[in-house]
Amino acid sequence: EVQLLESGGGFVQPGGSLRLSCAASGFTFINCAMTWVRQAPGKGLECVSSISGGGSDTYYADSVKGRFTISRDNSKNTLYLQMNSLRAEDTAVYYCARNSNLDYWGQGTLVTVSS
Amino acid sequence: DVVMTQSPLSLPVTLGQPASISCRSSQSLAHRDGNTYLSWFQQRPGQSPRRLIYKISNRDSGVPDRFSGSGSGTDFTLKISRVEADDVGVYYCMQGTHWPRTFGQGTKVEIK
Repeated sequence: EVQLLESGGGFVQPGGSLRLSCAASGFTFINCAMTWVRQAPGKGLECVSSISGGGSDTYYADSVKGRFTISRDNSKNTLYLQMNSLRAEDTAVYYCARNSNLDYWGQGTLVTVSS
Repeated sequence: DVVMTQSPLSLPVTLGQPASISCRSSQSLAHRDGNTYLSWFQQRPGQSPRRLIYKISNRDSGVPDRFSGSGSGTDFTLKISRVEADDVGVYYCMQGTHWPRTFGQGTKVEIK
């Protein structure tokens, strides 16, 4: 059974940093691209960042480019999102999802950016 | 970016009746590999999104056959043949042909 478990969310002040993790199991992690998707409170879905299976190719939404960094450790079956220079508009539930077409999703982790 | 436009944004339906959601893209979703990467997601209240349909009309494992997808090019439709109480939630289309991946605004399905 495919499982994705996010962690690392929390409350942070504007300008601060957080690192999200997504522990994957139930499939061959290195064979799958992975994606972070976020959902602001009461709003729709936005693809934030994707990374290829080997980690060499990455994609970032313009809204986070230069502030967020996606990475993965295939030896630990774990996906990461390093978020720096956080802004109030980054407040959202962050989901990790398998593949760039999002066939499986985790339960999400809430990031709140506020002073 | 490819803009995905859903209609309606709110859909009150009677139990047992059919429902239909439209999704239009601002450019063709036909990929050079011959596939069209249009997916539909369901988000029940308080839950994570779940993919229902991929490549226009392919149901994901465990998705009831009450759900069907159709369309081509820039025009796509999700149909629920007979709405059940379990179908309440927000439905999103998403294009996976172009970067960045983009979603429609979401259609809220509720029971009348």
